[in-house]
Amino acid sequence: EIVLTQSPATLSLSPGERATLSCRASETVYTYLAWYQQKPGQVPRLLIYDASHRAPGIPARFSGSGSGTDFTLTISSLEPEDFAVYYCQQRNNWPRATFGPGTKVDIK
Amino acid sequence: EVQLVESGGGLVKPGGSLRLSCAASGFTFRSYNMNWVRQAPGKGLEWVSSISGSTTYISYADSVKGRFTISRDNANNSLSLQMSGLRAEDSGLYYCVRDRVAGGSMDVWGHGTTVTVSS
Repeated sequence: EIVLTQSPATLSLSPGERATLSCRASETVYTYLAWYQQKPGQVPRLLIYDASHRAPGIPARFSGSGSGTDFTLTISSLEPEDFAVYYCQQRNNWPRATFGPGTKVDIK
Repeated sequence: EVQLVESGGGLVKPGGSLRLSCAASGFTFRSYNMNWVRQAPGKGLEWVSSISGSTTYISYADSVKGRFTISRDNANNSLSLQMSGLRAEDSGLYYCVRDRVAGGSMDVWGHGTTVTVSS
């Protein structure tokens, strides 16, 4: 089973700062990697699919990069509504899927 | 509007059974692979099971294999999850989730139905 590790567990930043979140896979997932945002009490929302493609309606400040085993989600300038938990998810061996444990981005 | 609405959650004793349902609307249901994803209180997301549009491909997480059964009714735009042998660790919010048509990410999520396994 492919295991995803996310770092850091918590990222404390101020609005306007740049956020860099990491996701590492235990074996290659090529670019079958997605990122989701979940705010408290809300449903997860797809941000990035296939490692680097923004989902419809997602602001340009969100970007994804990486391939193989190392991936990054970057938020170029944090808005107040971006403070949330972010999960990565792999689907290299569809239909099976794995989620990472999440990174919480909170206000410094 | 694309929508997924789950139902069937509730309180059940350990070892008991429960059947979750998901009603889909606003899209061509049979063309999409579907999933169940769960989230224990205060915890992260856990993939539970997936089924392809034609039901050819079905898969389960190791934690539920042999106890849960996923199925779908394309004529009635519905997805189901039959759960048996329930354990306390199966408690959580169960989401019905749609795969993107072109790939493995999940683009539409229902609001979830809560399952509580407790004596």
